[in-house]
Amino acid sequence: EPEVTQTPSHQVTQMGQEVILRCVPISNHLYFYWYRQILGQKVEFLVSFYNNEISEKSEIFDDQFSVERPDGSNFTLKIRSTKLEDSAMYFCASSEARLEQFFGPGTRLTVL
Amino acid sequence: AQSVTQLDSHVSVSEGTPVLLRCNYSSSYSPSLFWYVQHPNKGLQLLLKYTSAATLVKGINGFEAEFKKSETSFHLTKPSAHMSDAAEYFCVVTPHTGGFKTIFGAGTRLFVKA
Repeated sequence: EPEVTQTPSHQVTQMGQEVILRCVPISNHLYFYWYRQILGQKVEFLVSFYNNEISEKSEIFDDQFSVERPDGSNFTLKIRSTKLEDSAMYFCASSEARLEQFFGPGTRLTVL
Repeated sequence: AQSVTQLDSHVSVSEGTPVLLRCNYSSSYSPSLFWYVQHPNKGLQLLLKYTSAATLVKGINGFEAEFKKSETSFHLTKPSAHMSDAAEYFCVVTPHTGGFKTIFGAGTRLFVKA
């Protein structure tokens, strides 16, 4: 059964460093999403991406964040200069239509 | 604007007894509603979805949910809990039309006692 994959499973970085979180969505899906879950808090929507552009973003998704689909398979989230409060689990999701989203296992980002 | 409220942060049941996880929503648009489950150190797995068809929705592992527009509720139920059901459950709303922002509830942790 096709699934969304994410790498790495755990990323440790120093404050101020750039990180790139990678996702491989399900191959025939057209919509892509990033979410984050700070420990003990809700899963929060960050951004949705369709037709090679951001379709919607939340207030969390500021200029420090960017997304890209560099080739036909990967979908990346870049954080330019990480802050301590960026420590969270980041989930990628994809969907064929606008509705049912399939989630990856997540990348745990720890900023020291 | 959309919001989701999961009325219980924790629910504890005995194995073999019914499960009820409560969810209320509000949405300016015609919503689609979902329940996802998250087992420890795992990703989010879709249990079931409501997308404006039948109001009683059946999902995997014996779970079902009923969409009640008059009560703005989408409670998750299962007739008989199993130990493997112990996990975190999230009620999720997404606009059926207009916008992509998906809203998660805070989650309900289900404990199942032997």
